Amino acid sequence: SQTIHQWPATLVQPVGSPLSLECTVEGTSNPNLYWYRQAAGRGLQLLFYSVGIGQISSEVPQNLSASRPQDRQFILSSKKLLLSDSGFYLCAWRNDRLTSGEQYFGPGTRLTVT
Amino acid sequence: GQQVMQIPQYQHVQEGEDFTTYCNSSTTLSNIQWYKQRPGGHPVFLIQLVKSGEVKKQKRLTFQFGEAKKNSSLHITATQTTDVGTYFCAGQGTYKYIFGTGTRLKVLA
Repeated sequence: SQTIHQWPATLVQPVGSPLSLECTVEGTSNPNLYWYRQAAGRGLQLLFYSVGIGQISSEVPQNLSASRPQDRQFILSSKKLLLSDSGFYLCAWRNDRLTSGEQYFGPGTRLTVT
Repeated sequence: GQQVMQIPQYQHVQEGEDFTTYCNSSTTLSNIQWYKQRPGGHPVFLIQLVKSGEVKKQKRLTFQFGEAKKNSSLHITATQTTDVGTYFCAGQGTYKYIFGTGTRLKVLA
């Protein structure tokens, strides 16, 4: 069966510090991968998605970046965090062999920028 | 760009009452999905609708996809405290999904 891991679960970082969040998927190959951010009590904002190794599509201009160094690894980074980067970061995957299909979400990382 | 709105934003109901959330897209959707997010948790897939006018049921939950494939609804009959959470619809593009704004449901026992 497939599983998706995210770490860390919670993170408190000062403004201006770097960020690295990691997401890995097990039990599938060549998944479509996604990074979302959810502000407190709000909806899901798509940040990045990837359909293959090294392929990143950015949805929102910001100080965040994403990388996919391996087939089942997706990393979200920032060189300098802003207060507005606080939120709940969710990684998700989808089976690329289906023309349509559900996304499976990881447990998320709660980031507080102080 | 494509937008997906949901109403209402919040809904408080007494346990046993019915609940409905509506999802409206600015463009025609190839399909629509519904997710539930429990407080403090991550979204979990509920169902996918593909055909115009499609209706699907899961126990007390009834999902509809509009004839024009631009709107959808989720109806819960006789809510229970386990129904608490935020319900999101999501319209799918080629690779990406546009999530609705969500409806937060609170059920009062």
